[in-house]
Amino acid sequence: DQQVKQNSPSLSVQEGRISILNCDYTNSMFDYFLWYKKYPAEGPTFLISISSIKDKNEDGRFTVFLNKSAKHLSLHIVPSQPGDSAVYFCAASVTDYKLSFGAGTTVTVRA
Amino acid sequence: KAGVTQTPRYLIKTRGQQVTLSCSPISGHRSVSWYQQTPGQGLQFLFEYFSETQRNKGNFPGRFSGRQFSNSRSEMNVSTLELGDSALYLCASSLGTGAFTDTQYFGPGTRLTVL
Repeated sequence: DQQVKQNSPSLSVQEGRISILNCDYTNSMFDYFLWYKKYPAEGPTFLISISSIKDKNEDGRFTVFLNKSAKHLSLHIVPSQPGDSAVYFCAASVTDYKLSFGAGTTVTVRA
Repeated sequence: KAGVTQTPRYLIKTRGQQVTLSCSPISGHRSVSWYQQTPGQGLQFLFEYFSETQRNKGNFPGRFSGRQFSNSRSEMNVSTLELGDSALYLCASSLGTGAFTDTQYFGPGTRLTVL
């Protein structure tokens, strides 16, 4: 049962433009959300997180938005750079040390 | 500070065999979690160990087991391998406090191919 869903398997964006990645979840008990980035042949690396008491968190070019009523999470990357080309995973937890991941979105940044 | 290391990086086995994967966490981290990644499925949680005890478990059959040693290193074992077990197995370490700031750091993974 996939509790975290990333419905767009891929996204192509031009360098300098905004990348918007979306994530939906079904478990209303989730109270902590994260985004991980994964390059080929490497493990996922932590990108940014947000707790359920917030609706926005920024870190440089990365901003995560949380809409609890819609059970929706999004990641904005502005501006997109070629090094941002990777697979992005959305994850959620109820702080019981178990992360539930989405299937991932492959982002390709075109020069 | 050294990152999470996993050995071996690649493994080829045949159906019915068993396999053991190893994970060394970041120094000072006491929690190790294991995940299976297959195409289109994202990462599926297997189990988590903290202070040598399994603290959390995902929905995988009993063929998947693990353990953690006193130095926090962890091993994962899969018995009676099936073709569907072919996947990238990732381990992640963290302090294990459960706090929001307690990020999981992933190793590079072990690519298991079952023939």
